Amino acid sequence: GAVVSQHPSWVICKSGTSVKIECRSLDFQATTMFWYRQFPKQSLMLMATSNEGSKATYEQGVEKDKFLINHASLTLSTLTVTSAHPEDSSFYICSARSGTTNEKLFFGSGTQLSVL
Amino acid sequence: SQKIEQNSEALNIQEGKTATLTCNYTNYSPAYLQWYRQDPGRGPVFLLLIRENEKEKRKERLKVTFDTTLKQSLFHITASQPADSATYLCALPSGGSQGNLIFGKGTKLSVKP
Repeated sequence: GAVVSQHPSWVICKSGTSVKIECRSLDFQATTMFWYRQFPKQSLMLMATSNEGSKATYEQGVEKDKFLINHASLTLSTLTVTSAHPEDSSFYICSARSGTTNEKLFFGSGTQLSVL
Repeated sequence: SQKIEQNSEALNIQEGKTATLTCNYTNYSPAYLQWYRQDPGRGPVFLLLIRENEKEKRKERLKVTFDTTLKQSLFHITASQPADSATYLCALPSGGSQGNLIFGKGTKLSVKP
C-alpha cells in the first residue's frame, strides 16, 4: 500500500518558537494532503487541506497565519506552527490519497508536539 | 453538518469472543463509510470501506455492515486476539469538494487473554 512518511515523530519546543512538520508521500504523488490535529481521547479534527501549487484551504477557526502550510511538490507538504504556545500542544497527523478516485486515506505516523 | 457518534468510548472483551463496535451518523446518508484502526501515538490505518449500496463487507476476521435506514454501521472482529487491542475509528466523507473525511471519537477495544 501507499506510504506516507511524517517527521519528526515528536518535538518539544519553547513557547514562542516555530516548529516545522514534514509529510511525504513515498511511493505515490499526492496533489492533495490533509492536516489533522488530535487531542487526547478526541476525534481527528481537520485543520486544513493542502493543495500542490496553490494556497491551502483552512477550516473554520484555524488561523492560517499561525499554521503555515506549504505544498511545494507532489510528494511533500509541510506544516509550520509559528510562535507556538502551550495550547498548541497536540498530536498532528497528515494524510493523503494515492489517487483522485481513491477514497481511502493513508496517514503519516503523526507528530506529538509539546510546547513548554 | 454531518455528525458521527461512536457511542462506546471503550469496550473490553475476552480473547476469542466477537467484538462489535457501533457507528451512528446524523443528517445526510454518505456514499460510503470507512473504518480505521489507530494505535497509541500512531496515525490511523485504513481497514475497510463499505458503500451505500452494500449491506455487508468482510475482510479476514473483520465484518462491516451498513444500514442506511438506521444510519448505522456495525464493525465486528471475530475470534478476537489481544493484538486487536486498539482504537477503532469510523469515518465518513465530509461532503466537501476536496474529499476529506470526518471521524468519530473512536472506540478503544481491549482484548484480554
